[in-house]
Amino acid sequence: SQQGEEDPQALSIQEGENATMNCSYKTSINNLQWYRQNSGRGLVHLILIRSNEREKHSGRLRVTLDTSKKSSSLLITASRAADTASYFCATSSSGNTGKLIFGQGTTLQVKP
Amino acid sequence: GAVVSQHPSRVICKSGTSVKIECRSLDFQATTMFWYRQFPKQSLMLMATSNEGSKATYEQGVEKDKFLINHASLTLSTLTVTSAHPEDSSFYICSARVLIGQYNSPLHFGNGTRLTVT
Repeated sequence: SQQGEEDPQALSIQEGENATMNCSYKTSINNLQWYRQNSGRGLVHLILIRSNEREKHSGRLRVTLDTSKKSSSLLITASRAADTASYFCATSSSGNTGKLIFGQGTTLQVKP
Repeated sequence: GAVVSQHPSRVICKSGTSVKIECRSLDFQATTMFWYRQFPKQSLMLMATSNEGSKATYEQGVEKDKFLINHASLTLSTLTVTSAHPEDSSFYICSARVLIGQYNSPLHFGNGTRLTVT
């Protein structure tokens, strides 16, 4: 079963612009993670934010988490053509085996 | 860094045959691995949790007799799609966590297997 929804489903921007993707989820969580997937490939972990954290940075990435609204956002600043990929949020829920449930994903296209 | 190797990357088989997909953790031990399925332009759907030395835990709606999972060692889990049908055509991806029991840690993914059943 899918945990949450992401919006937008697709996003197209110019190189240098910022890209913001949002994720909502339904159950209480241990943490929320963002992954990137290039077409036809596996997923690469980008960043993890714990349920007791509100914001986290890693390079050009900024993630926020609002547990009261059960939502998160991923901001990619100064985007590059190489950032073109699909981005998924995934949640690890309280009390389970550590499995991750993925959102629907946002397909990002960065035009050079 | 932690590497998960998945093999084969692509496989084409005929209806009614079985296909085995291997997932190996190359530089760490994984007592638990996760198998996902992904349809084109869609998200990942968790199929099952593979547990070393014990039976896999399947998600609701996933047929355990159809998708056989074996996790015989700390570095290898296999998924066998039995009596494959065209509707089983999909992208299958495995993943594992380096830190055993540490849920606040990321999953490492294989590069996936594209299965096409003709």
